[in-house]
Amino acid sequence: QVLLQESGPGLVKPSETLSLTCTVSTASNRTDYWSWIRQSPAKGLEFIGYIYHGGVANYNPSLKGRFTLTVDTTTNQCSLKVRSVTAADTAVYYCARQFVALGPIHFWGQGILVTVSS
Amino acid sequence: DIQMTQSPAALSASLGDRVTITCRASQNINSWLAWYQQKPGKAPKLLIYKASSLLSGLPRRFSGSGSGAEFTLTISSLQPEDIATYFCQEYETYSLTFGQGTKLEI
Repeated sequence: QVLLQESGPGLVKPSETLSLTCTVSTASNRTDYWSWIRQSPAKGLEFIGYIYHGGVANYNPSLKGRFTLTVDTTTNQCSLKVRSVTAADTAVYYCARQFVALGPIHFWGQGILVTVSS
Repeated sequence: DIQMTQSPAALSASLGDRVTITCRASQNINSWLAWYQQKPGKAPKLLIYKASSLLSGLPRRFSGSGSGAEFTLTISSLQPEDIATYFCQEYETYSLTFGQGTKLEI
């Protein structure tokens, strides 16, 4: 079982950059993919992207290019940055792990609610 | 963009009922489909992958079927702990698109 924990601010102002971190608290396979998914009433569950432990990231082509994923294997952490946020970015953000790039999402963090508001 | 459409959006059933949820893809996704269960305030939980493979340790009353563009999730005998929202997700494309969910109620 892989335990994932998201952390970051619960409130971000419009036009600012949202930064979230995911920490793995149990031993995990280095070959897994770190993923981020968000969920809002308006858009439902929305896959943001994944990053491999080597640092190669892939983003949902349906999303505009405001998202950046990074990974630090020394600290077992993955980070998500969302630039120029608007109210439409208000959502619960989940960190997750999947075994292959095109595969189901096996492990999910508990999620963190982020509200974009001035 | 690929679209995943679930029906119904909400379903009311009785304990012991056989429940079926449908997920349709806007294009062929072969068998690259997963089903998740989400309870209020919790993260989704993977139930089924590759359309019909039940995750180890999960109750066998859950089953999935289908291929191509039409899929179903069936609960053979509804239990109280099955009350949740169910989502399908394709992983044929790098969008990994989810359906909008089916809320199951008693």
